[in-house]
Amino acid sequence: DQQVKQNSPSLSVQEGRISILNCDYTNSMFDYFLWYKKYPAEGPTFLISISSIKDKNEDGRFTVFLNKSAKHLSLHIVPSQPGDSAVYFCAAIDQGGKLIFGQGTELSVKP
Amino acid sequence: ETGVTQSPTHLIKTRGQQVTLRCSSQSGHNTVSWYQQALGQGPQFIFQYYREEENGRGNFPPRFSGLQFPNYSSELNVNALELDDSALYLCASSSRGVGNYGYTFGSGTRLTVV
Repeated sequence: DQQVKQNSPSLSVQEGRISILNCDYTNSMFDYFLWYKKYPAEGPTFLISISSIKDKNEDGRFTVFLNKSAKHLSLHIVPSQPGDSAVYFCAAIDQGGKLIFGQGTELSVKP
Repeated sequence: ETGVTQSPTHLIKTRGQQVTLRCSSQSGHNTVSWYQQALGQGPQFIFQYYREEENGRGNFPPRFSGLQFPNYSSELNVNALELDDSALYLCASSSRGVGNYGYTFGSGTRLTVV
């Protein structure tokens, strides 16, 4: 039972353009969401988060949008840079405080 | 401030053997969680330790067990290894009870079971 889903395994974007990574969840009790970035041979690193009381959170080039009614969130990266190439994981915090991850989306930003 | 350190970085074991993976938590963190990341998948929660006791467990069999020590470091033990246990094992530390979801991950241990 995959409670957090990232349906696009990969995404390729031109440098300078917008990258949009999508995530869906099924559990309406989730009230806090995070995005992590992962390079090969490294652990996931925290990127940005959003509470369910908000619909948008922005940090520099990264913006996360939350649509509670659709149980959908997205991460926007503008402008995309080659160094952003990595695997991005969407995660939710469950009632026990543990992270529930999606399958990940591999972003490739081409110069 | 030191981050999360995991050892070893890579390991090859034979089916049926036992393995112990180690994790040193970030300074100031009192909770350790373990995750298994199979190839092409997201990390899956194994269990969490707080105050040296298991505090939440995912859908993993009892042959996956753990420990947390007074200095908050932790071990993950897997008995009777199976081929499907081949994965990246991630440790994450955090501060429980502070309302902080600041999980810090280690670089992981890549376990290969042959």
